[in-house]
Amino acid sequence: TQLLEQSPQFLSIQEGENLTVYCNSSSVFSSLQWYRQEPGEGPVLLVTVVTGGEVKKLKRLTFQFGDARKDSSLHITAAQPGDTGLYLCAGAEGGGTSYGKLTFGQGTILTVHP
Amino acid sequence: ETGVTQSPTHLIKTRGQQVTLRCSSQSGHNTVSWYQQALGQGPQFIFQYYREEENGRGNFPPRFSGLQFPNYSSELNVNALELDDSALYLCASSRTAGYGYTFGSGTRLTVV
Repeated sequence: TQLLEQSPQFLSIQEGENLTVYCNSSSVFSSLQWYRQEPGEGPVLLVTVVTGGEVKKLKRLTFQFGDARKDSSLHITAAQPGDTGLYLCAGAEGGGTSYGKLTFGQGTILTVHP
Repeated sequence: ETGVTQSPTHLIKTRGQQVTLRCSSQSGHNTVSWYQQALGQGPQFIFQYYREEENGRGNFPPRFSGLQFPNYSSELNVNALELDDSALYLCASSRTAGYGYTFGSGTRLTVV
């Protein structure tokens, strides 16, 4: 069974601060996806990283996939109250009977105070 | 393009009953997956369908079953409901399995 450990579980910061969320596994994934989920809604895809060492930027968000494709990080610069939400990392399995299955981390609840 | 729509949004059932949840996938997406999300947890994979065939299953008992129709919409059926089945059930569709899914808003199931 593949597992993804996401940390920290809770993060409470002031507007303007920087933060990093980590996602680690002992397993290799074909891709690593980051989602954001609001209360009462389904997760919304932020980014998919596929190549080991890949870095993608989405405005103030920077996503990195580890060289061995086992870990990833999400860095937010100058956080804003609108960034508040549940952030989830998810690894996609690449083959066999579980092809495409997403294994999710337990999530990071981010609160940005004005 | 339309997103993923799920129905109903909320449901209350009694232990032992059966329930059917429905999902319409995003236009152009032929892969549908179902996930169970308990409060405060990440979603857990139930199963995935591709072109009407189940092609992946998570660690859920056989009383969790599903269907995918020719228009790629899908159903999740749960028999003999247990209290622990209370959760948010999410449907997700993708153009290509494993490469970024569009999730619906979910069905909140409460078993009493």
